[in-house]
Amino acid sequence: QQQVKQSPQSLIVQKGGISIINCAYENTAFDYFPWYQQFPGKGPALLIAIRPDVSEKKEGRFTISFNKSAKQFSLHIMDSQPGDSATYFCAATVGSARQLTFGSGTQLTVLP
Amino acid sequence: EAGVAQSPRYKIIEKRQSVAFWCNPISGHATLYWYQQILGQGPKLLIQFQNNGVVDDSQLPKDRFSAERLKGVDSTLKIQPAKLEDSAVYLCASSLYGAGGNTQYFGPGTRLTVL
Repeated sequence: QQQVKQSPQSLIVQKGGISIINCAYENTAFDYFPWYQQFPGKGPALLIAIRPDVSEKKEGRFTISFNKSAKQFSLHIMDSQPGDSATYFCAATVGSARQLTFGSGTQLTVLP
Repeated sequence: EAGVAQSPRYKIIEKRQSVAFWCNPISGHATLYWYQQILGQGPKLLIQFQNNGVVDDSQLPKDRFSAERLKGVDSTLKIQPAKLEDSAVYLCASSLYGAGGNTQYFGPGTRLTVL
């Protein structure tokens, strides 16, 4: 059972544009929502994360927006660069075990 | 600081053969995870260790998969016998225990192809 739904599957953005990736979750017990970035041949790496008690978190060009009532969260990449081209995964965890439930991924391509 | 190490990086086997993957987590990380990432999908947790004990192996196909972490450091994941649908990247991740354990650090993975 997929507990975190991610869209779109792929995204093409021009350099300097804004990339937006959306995720929705079902399990209201989730209490930590990280985003991971994965380059080909590499393992996922933590990009940015948020807890449900805040509605937005910004780190440089990356911002997470969180809507607890709608059970949705999104990643915004401002001033997208070709080096941002990668696969992005949203994820969620619950409890002390911290097991990640991943979305299906979004392949982002930023055109020069 | 060295990251999570995995070997081999690539493995090609025939169906019904056996295969083993090795993982060395970041020094001091008590928690170790194995994930299976099928092409085009997000990683799926197979098993979680806390030191050398199993925290959760509910999604591990125990009829063919096994994993161990005997001394609470390195871990091996074995598949015997392999099936075509086991073709995937097997990722190992580690994290600190407790409140600092939110961040999981992933290795580069082992790409398994079953023919």
